[in-house]
Amino acid sequence: QVQLQESGPGLVRPSETLSLTCTVSGDSITSYHWSWIRQPPGKGLEWIGYLDYRGITNYNPSLKSRVTISVDTSKHQLSLKMNSVTAADTAVYYCARTYGSGNNPLSWYFDLWGRGTLVTVSS
Amino acid sequence: SYELTQPPSVSVSPGQTASITCSGNKLGDKYAYWYQQKPGQSPVLVIYQDNKRPSGIPERFSGSNSGNTATLTISGIQAMDEADYYCQAWDSSTVVFGGGTKLTAL
Repeated sequence: QVQLQESGPGLVRPSETLSLTCTVSGDSITSYHWSWIRQPPGKGLEWIGYLDYRGITNYNPSLKSRVTISVDTSKHQLSLKMNSVTAADTAVYYCARTYGSGNNPLSWYFDLWGRGTLVTVSS
Repeated sequence: SYELTQPPSVSVSPGQTASITCSGNKLGDKYAYWYQQKPGQSPVLVIYQDNKRPSGIPERFSGSNSGNTATLTISGIQAMDEADYYCQAWDSSTVVFGGGTKLTAL
């Protein structure tokens, strides 16, 4: 059974870099596309970006300048880095398997989600 | 930027049918996806590509998408269906989520 587990610091100082990892177990990380999605407390979902099976990334335009998604296949880990964080970046961060065929994402969907990790940005 | 609009809340009596709408410009030309999120839990995909149900999702869940509106329909509402529901679509290779609808079984 495939499992996704997010991990990383629960507290990040303003202006610093948020770094999270998502460990994938039970399946090959190279067989799928992967996404990061976040949810501020009490609010809705916001897509951060994806990394496809070829290693190509695409980001939410509103976050693109601050975000990097990468993969370490040897460790079966997806990573997220977001720099220059502010209190507005406080959220539960989810990694999600992004299922779909082909290189056109319009038919892809998030079929498996991690449990999420809460990151608070505060001094 | 592309926007998806959902009603903030929908209330139905147990056993009745709930319909949750998601509106966006020419949404019918795109695929619509629906996720269920219960308090303290991660979202779960309940409908993909407009009207397909993932394995393990009850037949009570169905979806449609035409014109500017996608609709998630849940028949025979049960207490376990109380949750937030989010629609999602792709626009120019980026993901857009609706604001979410809180479904309450009165």
